[in-house]
Amino acid sequence: QVQLQESGPGLVKPSETLSLTCTVSGGSISSSYWSWIRQPPGKGLEWIGNIYYSQSTNYNPSLKSRVTISLDTSKNQFSLNLSAVTAADTAVYYCARDSVSATSDAFDIWGQGTMVTVSS
Amino acid sequence: DIQMTQSPSSLSASVGDRVTITCQASQDINNYLNWFQQKPGKAPNLLIYGASNLETGVPSRFSGSGSGTDFTFTISSLQPEDIATYYCQQSHNLPYTFGQGTKLEIK
Repeated sequence: QVQLQESGPGLVKPSETLSLTCTVSGGSISSSYWSWIRQPPGKGLEWIGNIYYSQSTNYNPSLKSRVTISLDTSKNQFSLNLSAVTAADTAVYYCARDSVSATSDAFDIWGQGTMVTVSS
Repeated sequence: DIQMTQSPSSLSASVGDRVTITCQASQDINNYLNWFQQKPGKAPNLLIYGASNLETGVPSRFSGSGSGTDFTFTISSLQPEDIATYYCQQSHNLPYTFGQGTKLEIK
């Protein structure tokens, strides 16, 4: 049973870089797309971007200039860096597996989420 | 970006009721439409993928239909544990986008 677990600082200062890691257990990272999704308090869900095990990435244009997603197959982890953060980046950040087939594409496994607050 | 519009934003129903939520895409997304359930303080949980396919382990009272731009999510007989917020999401085009959510409450 594949499980995901986010880790990283819960508090980041404005203008600094938010860095989170998602550890994949119970399966190999070398077989799927992996996404980051966030949810500001009391609001809806926003897809940030994804990475394939081949290292190819896709980013939401709304965040593209500030986002980097990377993957470490040796550690079975993938990571999110979001630079120049502001209070608007305060959110619960989720990692998720993006299960792609010929006829569907869905986030079928999610981490529990980690709350990140941007504040001085 | 493809805009996903859910209706209603909130809904109050009684146990045993049939509940329907609609989701409209701003352009044709074929059947690349997923439905998620999110309970307070928890991660979203995939219920329906590809517009009408029930995810493994999800109770059969949940169903989805539609294609193109108009989609429907149905709970055939509402149970107390179904109280949650429900989101549709399109996976036809990048960036993936979600509906604004429908908060379901027990009457």
